[in-house]
Amino acid sequence: AQSVTQPDIHITVSEGASLELRCNYSYGATPYLFWYVQSPGQGLQLLLKYFSGDTLVQGIKGFEAEFKRSQSSFNLRKPSVHWSDAAEYFCAVGARSNDYKLSFGAGTTVTVRA
Amino acid sequence: GAGVSQSPSNKVTEKGKDVELRCDPISGHTALYWYRQSLGQGLEFLIYFQGNSAPDKSGLPSDRFSAERTGGSVSTLTIQRTQQEDSAVYLCASSPLAGGPGKNIQYFGAGTRLSVL
Repeated sequence: AQSVTQPDIHITVSEGASLELRCNYSYGATPYLFWYVQSPGQGLQLLLKYFSGDTLVQGIKGFEAEFKRSQSSFNLRKPSVHWSDAAEYFCAVGARSNDYKLSFGAGTTVTVRA
Repeated sequence: GAGVSQSPSNKVTEKGKDVELRCDPISGHTALYWYRQSLGQGLEFLIYFQGNSAPDKSGLPSDRFSAERTGGSVSTLTIQRTQQEDSAVYLCASSPLAGGPGKNIQYFGAGTRLSVL
């Protein structure tokens, strides 16, 4: 069975500083990979996705993520954080053979300090 | 509609009562999903609909939980005889499920926060 690990429960970062959120997955083959963001009281919004091809993917709001097959990782990055980036971030994987069913990590809460 | 709509946004109920949660997916989306998000937890898959049928109900935690979808559109998640451990945010998502890898991109509603007293 596939599983997703987000090692960091909570990260605090200063506005303007860089941000990196870690995601590791366990799966027998390369899955589909996603990052979602959830602001308080909101549903999940898709930030970016990886299906195939270039392992560095660009998303909305200035986020990017890099797929590293050798490390089974899909870390999310942003060069300069804005106060509005404070939210909870979820990494998710979907099996290519059974791709309707996403497995989500437990999430990383990001706090942005002025 | 423009996005996935869920109602009510908040529901407070007494232990032992039945509740119904509604999801209105994005128009034209074939697939619909229900997830549960408990405090401090990630999303837990509950059930998946393709059209009106549910090929995968494996995530429903007990027989008190059921869901249906009618007309390939609106879905209702019903929890009978609610228990305190049912308190959570219930999220609904939909996806096009037609053509290409983008078919399984899931678009989420804002959720229903259920509190069982």
